Amino acid sequence: ELKVEQNPLFLSMQEGKNYTIYCNYSTTSDRLYWYRQDPGKSLESLFVLLSNGAVKQEGRLMASLDTKARLSTLHITAAVHDLSATYFCAVESGNTPLVFGKGTRLSVIA
Amino acid sequence: DAGITQSPRHKVTETGTPVTLRCHQTENHRYMYWYRQDPGHGLRLIHYSYGVKDTDKGEVSDGYSVSRSKTEDFLLTLESATSSQTSVYFCAISADGNSPLHFGNGTRLTVT
Repeated sequence: ELKVEQNPLFLSMQEGKNYTIYCNYSTTSDRLYWYRQDPGKSLESLFVLLSNGAVKQEGRLMASLDTKARLSTLHITAAVHDLSATYFCAVESGNTPLVFGKGTRLSVIA
Repeated sequence: DAGITQSPRHKVTETGTPVTLRCHQTENHRYMYWYRQDPGHGLRLIHYSYGVKDTDKGEVSDGYSVSRSKTEDFLLTLESATSSQTSVYFCAISADGNSPLHFGNGTRLTVT
C-alpha cells in the first residue's frame, strides 16, 4: 500500500528566510506532484516530477525528486507572505490513483 | 481553468438522509475522481472513474456510491448520510490518468 508522509505539517516562517518541506513515500513512484491550496480554495498544480534527479523551479519554489531515497523536497527561497498556503505532495504508482500527503500548512510572517 | 463545476457548493443535511453531489466537466476528460478533505487527513480518494460506467473504489469508499452515465458527469451519492461524512468534497479530472489532476472548487457538506 502506497503511503505518503509530509513533514513538517505546520510551518511558520519569517519573510526572507529559506526552508524545505519533505515528502517521503513508501513504494516506487511513476510521478510525484506538488499542489498548492489557499484557504477555502481548490488545489492548484505546481510541479510534476517524473524521474530521479528531476528538478523544477518556479519563482521562489523549487521541487526535486530522489527516487532511490523515495523523497521529494519543496524548497522555499526568501519566503514572502504570498507563499502562505497549504502544500501537498501526491504520488502516483502503477495503476494506483494519486495518494496525497496530509499537507504542510505554511505561514509566512513579517 | 479546467471546466469543472461542482454542485451544490454548500449543503447541510440531516443524518440518515440521502445526498447526491454532482461533478460536471466540459473538458471531455476520461478520468474523474472524488476526494474528501478533512483536517489532519489531507485528501483521501473515495471513488474514481476511468470511463463511462467504469468506476472503482478508493481508500474510503464505505458509505458512498458513484455513477457515471455520461462522460461529463460523475455523481457521488451518500445513501444515508452520517456525521462522519461531514467534509469538503473535491472532484478532479484528468485527461489520461497520467496528467496532473485539475480540481473543482469543492462542496462543503455538513451532516447534522
